[in-house]
Amino acid sequence: NAGVMQNPRHLVRRRGQEARLRCSPMKGHSHVYWYRQLPEEGLKFMVYLQKENIIDESGMPKERFSAEFPKEGPSILRIQQVVRGDSAAYFCASSPTRGTGDTEAFFGQGTRLTVV
Amino acid sequence: AQSVTQLGSHVSVSEGALVLLRCNYSSSVPPYLFWYVQYPNQGLQLLLKYTSAATLVKGINGFEAEFKKSETSFHLTKPSAHMSDAAEYFCAVSKGNTDKLIFGTGTRLQVFP
Repeated sequence: NAGVMQNPRHLVRRRGQEARLRCSPMKGHSHVYWYRQLPEEGLKFMVYLQKENIIDESGMPKERFSAEFPKEGPSILRIQQVVRGDSAAYFCASSPTRGTGDTEAFFGQGTRLTVV
Repeated sequence: AQSVTQLGSHVSVSEGALVLLRCNYSSSVPPYLFWYVQYPNQGLQLLLKYTSAATLVKGINGFEAEFKKSETSFHLTKPSAHMSDAAEYFCAVSKGNTDKLIFGTGTRLQVFP
């Protein structure tokens, strides 16, 4: 049973380009969470998605960032017109149900975005 | 609103010594609390979680944590450090109606021979 798969593992983008980060949850998991880890900081929640629905996007920057989790295929975190401050590690986690707070979420290995 | 505070961004111990990583939480309701470990350039792995059952929680790799409501603490301990324990450790709390996690800023553990 493969774990949470994120790709690419490393992504380099020039300022102004678009970054697309992909996350395939564990088999049977229909809930996905995206987190961002800035250098020397903890993980910060960005968005919570269920298949075809955004449940909670309270942690998403208001501009340039969007996320989707289509019926088929991986979840995508999209960052338009990247800036140097977007350089960070982006982690995806998945869980099988909406949960009641005590369910283990399984994390991918992350995508490390570097904006040059 | 829930939050966690990890005291000490860096902790250094000798191999074989006690490991103590501190975490205090703030929550208006009984919380669910987690400890995760992150090895360099890796994702997060769950060490253990508290979900209102036993207050002393045993996890993987010999780690355990004790939930103390009176102190609003959930400190992580291991009796004898091993070189392979060197990593970053994160305490987290979840909101009750989803599995959205709120993380502390992390503690980097160094283990010296």
